[in-house]
Amino acid sequence: AAGVIQSPRHLIKEKRETATLKCYPIPRHDTVYWYQQGPGQDPQFLISFYEKMQSDKGSIPDRFSAQQFSDYHSELNMSSLELGDSALYFCASSLGFAGVTDTQYFGPGTRLTVL
Amino acid sequence: GDSVTQMEGPVTLSEEAFLTINCTYTATGYPSLFWYVQYPGEGLQLLLKATKADDKGSNKGFEATYRKETTSFHLEKGSVQVSDSAVYFCALSDRTTGGGNKLTFGTGTQLKVEL
Repeated sequence: AAGVIQSPRHLIKEKRETATLKCYPIPRHDTVYWYQQGPGQDPQFLISFYEKMQSDKGSIPDRFSAQQFSDYHSELNMSSLELGDSALYFCASSLGFAGVTDTQYFGPGTRLTVL
Repeated sequence: GDSVTQMEGPVTLSEEAFLTINCTYTATGYPSLFWYVQYPGEGLQLLLKATKADDKGSNKGFEATYRKETTSFHLEKGSVQVSDSAVYFCALSDRTTGGGNKLTFGTGTQLKVEL
């Protein structure tokens, strides 16, 4: 079965640079979520989209922005990177923001290292 | 706000031992409850879920029962294997309060199973 695809899997950036992370949800899934997991930490919710509209917002820094496109893939844009942004970034997808099925399926993550 | 508390690790067991990982939650609404597992260097995999009181989720020998009266969702397995070594996250999502489907995670419990 098709799973959530994230690219790139690994990314190394310098401080103050920008990064773009991409997420391709499971086919027919219309909702995408982004989470950040610091070393040894639990995943923290950043932002979510349903049908290309932002549906919820968590602890996402103002330096970050995200969007969902017409094909339902999503991109997380990160600017003015800081050392503390080094983390594993997960994308998850689900079918139906307000539907009965609320199970989120996670991608393998993008490991971002800021030097 | 919503929160999840799970027992601290690491938990070290011998193969074929009984496993219990405690998880309790606080939610203003009526949440769905999940257990996710994370193997070293990998993403989060859904292990099991329950969406209403007294529901029992089960998968791969793991079980957890949604206990509304004690606000708990403890994970159990009768006989662990070395291959079960991973980090286990308890999580909830609560759509009933209009907060969307974002997952709130516990801090994770590392399980190590030895021969």
